[in-house]
Amino acid sequence: GESVGLHLPTLSVQEGDNSIINCAYSNSASDYFIWYKQESGKGPQFIIDIRSNMDKRQGQRVTVLLNKTVKHLSLQIAATQPGDSAVYFCAENSLMEYGNKLVFGAGTILRVKS
Amino acid sequence: ETGVTQSPTHLIKTRGQQVTLRCSSQSGHNTVSWYQQALGQGPQFIFQYYREEENGRGNFPPRFSGLQFPNYSSELNVNALELDDSALYLCASSLEEGQETQYFGPGTRLLVL
Repeated sequence: GESVGLHLPTLSVQEGDNSIINCAYSNSASDYFIWYKQESGKGPQFIIDIRSNMDKRQGQRVTVLLNKTVKHLSLQIAATQPGDSAVYFCAENSLMEYGNKLVFGAGTILRVKS
Repeated sequence: ETGVTQSPTHLIKTRGQQVTLRCSSQSGHNTVSWYQQALGQGPQFIFQYYREEENGRGNFPPRFSGLQFPNYSSELNVNALELDDSALYLCASSLEEGQETQYFGPGTRLLVL
């Protein structure tokens, strides 16, 4: 079946350090991936996305890397700040007969220590 | 802010009852998806609506049903509530059918006793 999973359930980093959150996916036909950030009591917030024809995409302080050979995604956060503390999900776009759905992994908790 | 709103924010029901959750999509977004997020897990796809028609469904029983209205609002209805239905229910809107990027609302926290 389809699944998207994360290697590390909890990541603790020092403020100012860089963070790397990893994700594995199982559907080699997937062509679009999204990283979401979810703070306590809120819905998932779009961070950055990447299509399968790219290996890397950069945003503001965030970079997503895609390795299709091993079906692996990572989210890099530069100069991690206390406001980055949240649960991070990668999601894989899955096409249906009509429309599309997102398949999420279980999430990684990022804790930033001041 | 995604422009997606949900109501109510919290709700407590008992087993066997019925519940209706509401979502208002971002203006112009004619596709809405609903997800169930159990504590400590990622969201699970329930179904998607496009132009008031269901166009895809996840592994949820028929007692989960939905409606979408022309004014970009939608509803999730759950009949015969079970304890395991306790979860955060999220709606997400996207611009067009098949448009991958989905923008989520804050969710409704449902507790079934």
